[in-house]
Amino acid sequence: AQSVAQPEDQVNVAEGNPLTVKCTYSVSGNPYLFWYVQYPNRGLQFLLKYITGDNLVKGSYGFEAEFNKSQTSFHLKKPSALVSDSALYFCAVRDGGGGFKTIFGAGTRLFVKA
Amino acid sequence: GAGVSQSPSNKVTEKGKDVELRCDPISGHTALYWYRQSLGQGLEFLIYFQGNSAPDKSGLPSDRFSAERTGESVSTLTIQRTQQEDSAVYLCASSPPGAARGYTFGSGTRLTVV
Repeated sequence: AQSVAQPEDQVNVAEGNPLTVKCTYSVSGNPYLFWYVQYPNRGLQFLLKYITGDNLVKGSYGFEAEFNKSQTSFHLKKPSALVSDSALYFCAVRDGGGGFKTIFGAGTRLFVKA
Repeated sequence: GAGVSQSPSNKVTEKGKDVELRCDPISGHTALYWYRQSLGQGLEFLIYFQGNSAPDKSGLPSDRFSAERTGESVSTLTIQRTQQEDSAVYLCASSPPGAARGYTFGSGTRLTVV
């Protein structure tokens, strides 16, 4: 069975500084990894995914994530945070070996201060 | 339609009543998923449908919960004899064929059991 851990309930960062939101996962097969964002009073939106290929994947709104197989991690990053990035971020994993069930982490709330 | 449509957007029901939640996926999306998001919690997987395959019901929390989908169209999630702990936002998502696709989420149904 797959699982996802987001060790931080909340991340605080100043505008203009780099941000990292952490995610680790566990699957029996090859991982398909995803990040989603939930802005206040809005639905969940897909940000980016890793399926295969380059370990660094780029997504919407300037976000990127780095797949690290040895550490079973898929941390979300952005070089320069914006106040408008403040939202709830979810990491998710699917077992690429079969099935379509995607498991989501508990979420990390990002606060970017001006 | 242009997006995943869920109805109603809000539902208040009395404890012990049955409720039915509806999800209308994006046309052509063969996969449909139901998740539950409780206050301050992550997304809890409930069930998914993939084409004409048997649904994966492994996330349904009790036999009071059931879901149906006719072909690749509308899905309904039914909760019988609702309890206060059923209060949550119920999210539906759909995705195109292929396991490596991100989901498109609906805006959810906020269920309150009083």
